[in-house]
Amino acid sequence: DTAVSQTPKYLVTQMGNDKSIKCEQNLGHDTMYWYKQDSKKFLKIMFSYNNKELIINETVPNRFSPKSPDKAHLNLHINSLELGDSAVYFCASSHGAGGYNEQFFGPGTRLTVL
Amino acid sequence: RKEVEQDPGPFNVPEGATVAFNCTYSNSASQSFFWYRQDCRKEPKLLMSVYSSGNEDGRFTAQLNRASQYISLLIRDSKLSDSATYLCVVGTGSGNTPLVFGKGTRLSVIA
Repeated sequence: DTAVSQTPKYLVTQMGNDKSIKCEQNLGHDTMYWYKQDSKKFLKIMFSYNNKELIINETVPNRFSPKSPDKAHLNLHINSLELGDSAVYFCASSHGAGGYNEQFFGPGTRLTVL
Repeated sequence: RKEVEQDPGPFNVPEGATVAFNCTYSNSASQSFFWYRQDCRKEPKLLMSVYSSGNEDGRFTAQLNRASQYISLLIRDSKLSDSATYLCVVGTGSGNTPLVFGKGTRLSVIA
């Protein structure tokens, strides 16, 4: 059983389109995250949710809107895609939001904006 | 100064070699420290947490020097399967402050 799953695994789309990435975890964790890893391999937090509440919102354009319908899911919707959005997006989860616990990552979604 | 800095490498070492990576962090309030491993085109996975007293897990030893604000990872008897990127990760322990990932150090173990 996959602990943290993301769909789709690959996403190729045109500039200006709107797309969503879904994430689900079956670990019973209460905290979920979205990270972006760009072409330089730098992994940076975008958002964090604890018990469906947004607790971290880094300086991300408001074209990016996360949504957590329940503790096991955290989806990411991106409006008006730009070339610079091309990256690998990782979802992760952990038990607790304190930053002491292991984060489990999904396999990533490779987004290419043409 | 970057929050978490690592030598990007690559470190190319023969099988059986001992290799060490260092990482420095800028936030003196940091309380949690980790090494994650990321294989090519895969997700990061926790390798080990780093404790104040230092800790060992098989061939891997992690050390923390709070005074100098650096963390090290030592790999003994390198295996081909150790080839990966090793990410240094630092947090303040607060849920409202994100973990900060270094850019990683790439290791290639050669037969």
